[in-house]
Amino acid sequence: EVHLVESGGGLVPPGQSLRLSCAASGFTFDDFAMFWVRQRPGKGLEWVAGISWNSDTFGYADSVKGRFTISRDNAKNSLFLQMNSLRPDDAALYYCAKSRVGAFFDVSGKLSDWGQGTLVTVSS
Amino acid sequence: DIQMTQSPSPLSASVGDRLTITCQASQDISDNLSWIRQIPGRAPELLIYDVSDLETGVPSRFSGGGSGTHFTLTISGLQPEDSATYYCQQYESVPFTFGPGTKVHI
Repeated sequence: EVHLVESGGGLVPPGQSLRLSCAASGFTFDDFAMFWVRQRPGKGLEWVAGISWNSDTFGYADSVKGRFTISRDNAKNSLFLQMNSLRPDDAALYYCAKSRVGAFFDVSGKLSDWGQGTLVTVSS
Repeated sequence: DIQMTQSPSPLSASVGDRLTITCQASQDISDNLSWIRQIPGRAPELLIYDVSDLETGVPSRFSGGGSGTHFTLTISGLQPEDSATYYCQQYESVPFTFGPGTKVHI
């Protein structure tokens, strides 16, 4: 059974950084593209970033481009999201998600498995 | 970026009803569309992918259709546990955008 467990959320002042992690188990991690999706309080889902199996290709939403960096460590079955220059509108529940099939993020966008999320609050 | 719209929201329905939610893309996305359900307080879950393929374990009362820019999710024989918000998502091109969601109250 696929398990995705996010961690690293918390309260940070505007302008600061935070690094989210996602520990994956129950599948061959380096066979799949991985993603981050966020949900602001009371709002809908927003695709944030995706990364291919070998980290060679990745992509970002315009709202986070240049501030967030997605990465992965296949040896540790882990996905990361480095978030810099955080703004109040980055406050959200951040989900880690796995591609249903496919190793390249730009052609593997259907998200079959989701974690429970980690909450990021940006406030002074 | 491809914009996704959904209508209508919110929706009220009764147990046993047949309900259809629509989703429209701002440009042709071929069959690169999924439907995702989010029960309050829980993580999202994939219901349907590639417009009409049912994810493993999803009840057959869920079905999807459409092509190009116009898509539908139909729930036949609504159950109390179908009270949730339903999102469409396109994965034709990055960023893989979601619709705003349709909240269904049973």
